[in-house]
Amino acid sequence: DTGVSQDPRHKITKRGQNVTFRCDPISEHNRLYWYRQTLGQGPEFLTYFQNEAQLEKSRLLSDRFSAERPKGSFSTLEIQRTEQGDSAMYLCASGRDRLFNGYTFGSGTRLTVV
Amino acid sequence: GESVGLHLPTLSVQEGDNSIINCAYSNSASDYFIWYKQESGKGPQFIIDIRSNMDKRQGQRVTVLLNKTVKHLSLQIAATQPGDSAVYFCAENGGSQGNLIFGKGTKLSVKP
Repeated sequence: DTGVSQDPRHKITKRGQNVTFRCDPISEHNRLYWYRQTLGQGPEFLTYFQNEAQLEKSRLLSDRFSAERPKGSFSTLEIQRTEQGDSAMYLCASGRDRLFNGYTFGSGTRLTVV
Repeated sequence: GESVGLHLPTLSVQEGDNSIINCAYSNSASDYFIWYKQESGKGPQFIIDIRSNMDKRQGQRVTVLLNKTVKHLSLQIAATQPGDSAVYFCAENGGSQGNLIFGKGTKLSVKP
């Protein structure tokens, strides 16, 4: 499979716990994006990387959220002290530079905080 | 604040008919727009894009129209098929090169 892979597909966690999601982009893509999508809404931008550099972060990305892309390949998104409002689908996408049409999404990680 | 929105939350069409999905945007700095299709349990899938220096762009069975005067975007799907049933999102770049702003989505249902 040469698409964007996300792991896990589903995660159920208790409020207050920490969770970490992983995204493996398409190998030749240097940009990697994280979005959050709640039911019935469009995806909301969280952050993006160009290679290993985190270039932009949304104000939606509170201090409890942190993203890394240490070697410019896979990325992780960690949420500390989860809250029920964090329940959402977390989508990763990858692309080449500014070529939005090459911006490929993964199938997402669905997080449920109970 | 400035946002991308959609006129209709749901659209139901007969198989074989043409579908038109509309979108309004308000960020005048946006110069790039995309339509995505999202099926249940999957991430958004690119359909077609258009830059602000164009009014119309055609793909296979799909056409995107851009009216910058009234900040309106539409997606036309010809000969709609059951496989077209999904939620469709328009997105704009808001002048940024780093991220996209998505609308809320329109659910398209195709009746056989």
